[in-house]
Amino acid sequence: QVQLVQSGPEVKKPGASVKVSCKALGYNFISYGITWVRQAPGQGLEWMGWISAYEGKRNYAQSLQGRVTMTTETSTMTAYLELRSLRFDDTAVYYCARDNSDILDYWGQGALVTVSA
Amino acid sequence: SSGLTQDPAVSVALGQTVTITCQGDSLGTFYANWYQQKPGQAPLLVISTVNNRPSGIPDRFSGSRSGNTASLTITGAQAEDEAVYYCHSRDISGNRVIFAGGTKVTVL
Repeated sequence: QVQLVQSGPEVKKPGASVKVSCKALGYNFISYGITWVRQAPGQGLEWMGWISAYEGKRNYAQSLQGRVTMTTETSTMTAYLELRSLRFDDTAVYYCARDNSDILDYWGQGALVTVSA
Repeated sequence: SSGLTQDPAVSVALGQTVTITCQGDSLGTFYANWYQQKPGQAPLLVISTVNNRPSGIPDRFSGSRSGNTASLTITGAQAEDEAVYYCHSRDISGNRVIFAGGTKVTVL
């Protein structure tokens, strides 16, 4: 069955970078995109961006431009999210989701990233 | 506005019907999807493209659209439906994807 398995929790200092992985199982990886969504503690969902697993085309949230990079590795069916110059307000659970023409039909379990001095 | 707006909270008696709305200029052009999120869990797609239910979602969940408003209706709400529900679509430019702020549904 379709699963997205994400990497584990991370604790980073302000100014550092973090890379979260999302391994896809049970479907043809290149037939769908991957969307990344984050959720700060007690807050709602924030769309971070999307990447096509087929051609690597990307679309990032304007608020994150310059700090975020999304990539995919088709050989391992894995998507990656890198966020640089971390700030305290980047503390959140980061989710990947399979993007089926703007429908997020399967989600990873989430990866908690904590930014702390 | 390029955003999507939901009421923050709504309550419903067990077995009764509740409708959650999502308003936004972009909803006249783009479809809305709805996600259910329970505490400590990842979101779960419950309705896509106005009124399509994924496999495994009970038929008490339904969606609709009228003008710039998308709606999610739970007919015969159950205790397990208590959750936050998020509306999701594109912004008015079509270049970005957005989530509304979510509606917390309490089943009394």
